[in-house]
Amino acid sequence: GQQLNQSPQSMFIQEGEDVSMNCTSSSIFNTWLWYKQDPGEGPVLLIALYKAGELTSNGRLTAQFGITRKDSFLNISASIPSDVGIYFCAGTQSTSGTYKYIFGTGTRLKVLA
Amino acid sequence: NAGVMQNPRHLVRRRGQEARLRCSPMKGHSHVYWYRQLPEEGLKFMVYLQKENIIDESGMPKERFSAEFPKEGPSILRIQQVVRGDSAAYFCASSSTTSGAAGELFFGEGSRLTVL
Repeated sequence: GQQLNQSPQSMFIQEGEDVSMNCTSSSIFNTWLWYKQDPGEGPVLLIALYKAGELTSNGRLTAQFGITRKDSFLNISASIPSDVGIYFCAGTQSTSGTYKYIFGTGTRLKVLA
Repeated sequence: NAGVMQNPRHLVRRRGQEARLRCSPMKGHSHVYWYRQLPEEGLKFMVYLQKENIIDESGMPKERFSAEFPKEGPSILRIQQVVRGDSAAYFCASSSTTSGAAGELFFGEGSRLTVL
């Protein structure tokens, strides 16, 4: 199935560092969503973006909906050990009352204390 | 407002048995999605349903797998004659719409199927 290009695939960073990850596509999306998944748990929604150019923050997280509507990035500032996990982006497309969510391949984040 | 509820959380089956996974979407949500995830891998789309209708089943194997979302009750993902390769985490997610646009998608905790 269709997937978004998400990078990097994995990152090892030191506690306190800032983290940046992004998703790109050749398709236009109506909405961008960012999720975090802890081991053994379901993905949890972090941030939702609805307009091109929109910049939204949630605590230490900041995400932007690209102007072209084909990309989005997520930044985490001052990382802490509990930021460890897999981060997924998702873009949405709508057609006649049906809604498709396309997921990125995930960025695996490991934080070294 | 309860979140997406999935059960069972863990299910063990022997080869050839049937597995039934249940999902109750968030209150007010009429769109249900099922995903499959192998360890250390991404989310693989299986099927998208609205009440009593299958909208997109392009990610679901043609044999042994079926899904439904009846007018009353939870959505069910059914796997017949399970094989070892069916062992995975199966996640359900639900959404509503916001002014005709796709809304936020919320996931359940998943059902982890182990086939012996």
